[in-house]
Amino acid sequence: GAVVSQHPSRVICKSGTSVKIECRSLDFQATTMFWYRQFPKQSLMLMATSNEGSKATYEQGVEKDKFLINHASLTLSTLTVTSAHPEDSSFYICSARSYSGGASAPQETQYFGPGTRLLVL
Amino acid sequence: GQNIDQPTEMTATEGAIVQINCTYQTSGFNGLFWYQQHAGEAPTFLSYNVLDGLEEKGRFSSFLSRSKGYSYLLLKELQMKDSASYLCAAWNSNYQLIWGAGTKLIIKP
Repeated sequence: GAVVSQHPSRVICKSGTSVKIECRSLDFQATTMFWYRQFPKQSLMLMATSNEGSKATYEQGVEKDKFLINHASLTLSTLTVTSAHPEDSSFYICSARSYSGGASAPQETQYFGPGTRLLVL
Repeated sequence: GQNIDQPTEMTATEGAIVQINCTYQTSGFNGLFWYQQHAGEAPTFLSYNVLDGLEEKGRFSSFLSRSKGYSYLLLKELQMKDSASYLCAAWNSNYQLIWGAGTKLIIKP
């Protein structure tokens, strides 16, 4: 199946600093990428939809000035957590919608990156 | 509103078969996904159904009935490594994924 990578996999930072997380689609072009947050033992919560070449669409309750999303190319989207605080500590996961696929895979689906675990001290 | 319902937790025995059900209500529908998520890891894709019927892929099969707003994931010959959460998610008309809370599957020897 398609591969999505995320970097870094883990990050520990001090309160007040900014953290950038990269999401890359390695073997396909993704016009649309998604950013999720997941707290322990809870389901995925969609934060925003990232569209290549345009502004991201944020879900209700997600601060766009705090969670900056840039989708500059068809294979890269970045999420920057600005002025991070301990309550921002979470598991951040990106996914990319793929429209490619062979006979053994559906023509379009959504693949997830491995996630980035953020701990703000 | 839009929502996905699936059982919170299920228990099964190694070597047995288990069926995880999912019902959905979405504004429009463009397909249903099943993902597997092990603790501390991101979800991994298992299946995608957009047409009615059963899709078989090795030990895992997924079924969809669009008229009933219903899907199930069938796992055969259960192995201990199948212990995980199984997430049901549906694409609505805007291709937004609507997520269920996940079903935690516990496999006992």
